[in-house]
Amino acid sequence: AQSVAQPEDQVNVAEGNPLTVKCTYSVSGNPYLFWYVQYPNRGLQFLLKYITGDNLVKGSYGFEAEFNKSQTSFHLKKPSALVSDSALYFCAVRDWRFGNEKLTFGTGTRLTIIP
Amino acid sequence: NAGVTQTPKFRVLKTGQSMTLLCAQDMNHEYMYWYRQDPGMGLRLIHYSVGEGTTAKGEVPDGYNVSRLKKQNFLLGLESAAPSQTSVYFCASNEQGYSNQPQHFGDGTRLSIL
Repeated sequence: AQSVAQPEDQVNVAEGNPLTVKCTYSVSGNPYLFWYVQYPNRGLQFLLKYITGDNLVKGSYGFEAEFNKSQTSFHLKKPSALVSDSALYFCAVRDWRFGNEKLTFGTGTRLTIIP
Repeated sequence: NAGVTQTPKFRVLKTGQSMTLLCAQDMNHEYMYWYRQDPGMGLRLIHYSVGEGTTAKGEVPDGYNVSRLKKQNFLLGLESAAPSQTSVYFCASNEQGYSNQPQHFGDGTRLSIL
């Protein structure tokens, strides 16, 4: 079965410092991986995806993610954190159990940027 | 450009009452989904639809029913609400046949069952 794990419920980073939000995956076959962000009282918004190609994927709001096949990881990164980056972040993988259009989400990581 | 719209935004029900949550999308997407979000559990798929007139069960379908009579609308029904169904419900959609494309989400319906 396809699954993703986000080992940290909460990550605190000082404004201006680099940030990393961790995600590991378990899939059969090639992984389709996604990062979404959720702001308070809003739905999830797409940040970036890895399907194939370069292991470093760039996305919205200055975020990027590094796909590492040997470590089965897809960590979200940003070189310099902003207070406005504070939100709930979800890693997701395409789940083939329900056809080819479904997502299985991690449990989420709450990112807090400290001014 | 509305995207995915969910109504209502908030609702409080008593145990045993019924209600319907409405999801509407204006992007002509074939695929639509209903998720529930609970603390520490991420999003779990309730039901989904791959086109008008079709529905299928997801990961946690018990206690819910759905209908997709029109392509742009996907309804989620609770026939007899239970406190365990207190949650935030999200609707999403995406294009057919493009498994590498992101899903578009509504802003959610916050449902409390007393």
